Amino acid sequence: EVQLVESGGNLVQPGGSLRLSCAVSGFSVTGNYMYWVRQAPGKGLEWVSVMYGGGTTDYADSVKGRFTISRDGSKNTLNLQMNSLRTEDTAVYYCARGHNWGRGITHGMDVWGQGTTATVSS
Amino acid sequence: QSALTQPPSASGSPGQSVTIPCTGTSSDVGSYNYVSWYQQHPGKAPKLLIYEVTKRPSGVPDRFSGSKSGNTASLIVSGLQAEDEAAYYCSSYAGKNVVLFGGGTTLTVL
Repeated sequence: EVQLVESGGNLVQPGGSLRLSCAVSGFSVTGNYMYWVRQAPGKGLEWVSVMYGGGTTDYADSVKGRFTISRDGSKNTLNLQMNSLRTEDTAVYYCARGHNWGRGITHGMDVWGQGTTATVSS
Repeated sequence: QSALTQPPSASGSPGQSVTIPCTGTSSDVGSYNYVSWYQQHPGKAPKLLIYEVTKRPSGVPDRFSGSKSGNTASLIVSGLQAEDEAAYYCSSYAGKNVVLFGGGTTLTVL
């Protein structure tokens, strides 16, 4: 069964760090492109980061220099290291698989986890 | 990296059709046919409804369709049903590995 399960969300003070993980089952994390997307309380979706199958990564301007996306092929997990956290980083963080319909990537997201909540507050 | 523009709310009666617009710029929606639409029920993860402007993943009812004209993409929901009441988000590739989302539209079935 194709499934994504996020973990690692917690309450942290401003300036602190959190490491989120996404356990992938049913497909290979190294053979697909993967996203982190977040949703602040009562707000819309915001793209955070992407990692392509070849290892290329990129970040939204709002997190560039503070967040790092990585993957562990042996554990089939996707990770997000979040440093220098700010109150505005408070959100549910989703990992998602990039959609590929056989004729190439579509920059859409076809499989989502249930999300993990990061709260940044003093 | 500015968000795409969607109306905050839309509504329709059962059986009717509703169109939800998503306006971007010539650098995102206008430049790429990589517009996707998502449905999100409260407390749930988003679900992919439309990709590449008009295509539906398997399992998505054909009541959901998409289109694009210039810098504006649209999601059309035909034959509204009670279970269609949810938030809908558009997204577009904007080049240089960036994906932009719309602010979301809450659809109410009257």
